[in-house]
Amino acid sequence: GAGVSQTPSNKVTEKGKYVELRCDPISGHTALYWYRQSLGQGPEFLIYFQGTGAADDSGLPNDRFFAVRPEGSVSTLKIQRTERGDSAVYLCASSLGKEAFFGQGTRLTVV
Amino acid sequence: LAKTTQPISMDSYEGQEVNITCSHNNIATNDYITWYQQFPSQGPRFIIQGYKTKVTNEVASLFIPADRKSSTLSLPRVSLSDTAVYYCLANYGGATNKLIFGTGTLLAVQP
Repeated sequence: GAGVSQTPSNKVTEKGKYVELRCDPISGHTALYWYRQSLGQGPEFLIYFQGTGAADDSGLPNDRFFAVRPEGSVSTLKIQRTERGDSAVYLCASSLGKEAFFGQGTRLTVV
Repeated sequence: LAKTTQPISMDSYEGQEVNITCSHNNIATNDYITWYQQFPSQGPRFIIQGYKTKVTNEVASLFIPADRKSSTLSLPRVSLSDTAVYYCLANYGGATNKLIFGTGTLLAVQP
């Protein structure tokens, strides 16, 4: 079956621009997560949705980052006024139980 | 959340058994131990989860002693394709909420 799908796979943007990253979770998975991974580091938690609501957004680094999941399925991570330090791989995962299924990520490069 | 400590890297040869030890001295009563595997340019993949004693699946075994202050992931007869980063996590109730990844152990399998 289909896994977690993330689009685009790569995104290059200029400093100061706005970007949206999309995540299509596995059908039926109620929990959805966003992580950010820098080179040589493990994934860093950003936000967790249970259904449509953000159950835990304590990992969002600042108010330039925002995520939505309006219908409890697809989620969009939005980054305003991008900075070069936002460059990383953004990973999405979904889950029904003890196992989180990750997508391949979106590599964001801010130039 | 319990902090986990694991070696930064390990080397092995094809056909050998590999044991990666993780230290978690302040693990909480309700924490489970979970291991994920990550290949380059991919998201992490769930390997195994346990609470105590021994758990085995088709991929690996997980040994957790009675005091639960450490755990060992055992990979039988590794192949080149097992070269990856392996993460040890302590997660509350074994759930996928807010997984905390460290820097992991880079396992390099040589022919």
